[in-house]
Amino acid sequence: EVQLVESGGGLVQPGRSLRLSCAASGFTFDDYGMHWVRQTPGEGLEWVSTISWDSGSIGYADSVKGRFTISRDNAKNSLYLQMNSLRPEDTALYYCAKGNWYRGAGSFDYWGQGTPVTVSS
Amino acid sequence: AIQMTQSPSSLSASVGDRVTITCRASQGIRNDLGWYQLKPGKAPKLLIYAASSLQSGVPSRFSGSGSGTDFTLTISSLQPEDFATYYCLQDNTYPWTFGQGTKVEIK
Repeated sequence: EVQLVESGGGLVQPGRSLRLSCAASGFTFDDYGMHWVRQTPGEGLEWVSTISWDSGSIGYADSVKGRFTISRDNAKNSLYLQMNSLRPEDTALYYCAKGNWYRGAGSFDYWGQGTPVTVSS
Repeated sequence: AIQMTQSPSSLSASVGDRVTITCRASQGIRNDLGWYQLKPGKAPKLLIYAASSLQSGVPSRFSGSGSGTDFTLTISSLQPEDFATYYCLQDNTYPWTFGQGTKVEIK
């Protein structure tokens, strides 16, 4: 059974940093792209970042480019999101998601339960 | 960035109705589009990938069509569990972009 468990969210002041983690199990982690998506009450779903199976291809939303860094450790079956210079508009529920194409890009077939991030002074 | 214009933003429908939601891309994205269902308190659920492929386990009343810039999600006979918000997502070109969402409410 595929499981994705996010952690690392919390309350943080504007300008500070936070690192999210996603522990994956139930599939061959290093064969699939992985993704971060966030959900805000007012704005719906926003794609944040994607990393390919081999870390060779990475993409970011314009709203986080230059501030957030996605990475993965295939030996630990883990995905990360380093979030720097956080802003109040980064407040959201952050989901980790698995790509559905073997060694490709594409849609998100499994999701974690999400970890909440609140940026406020 | 590619803009995804989703319509309508909301609709009211009855159980058994046929429902159609559309997404238009600001430039061609081949068939690199997925549809997701979002319910309060639950993680999003993939319904359709590659514009028209039904995700495993998803009821056959859901279908997707389109290619290039115009895409459609159809629910052939709306069921009580289908009242939710639906989003399209283009995964053709970074940055990937979601549509604004369509909230399907009970009439």
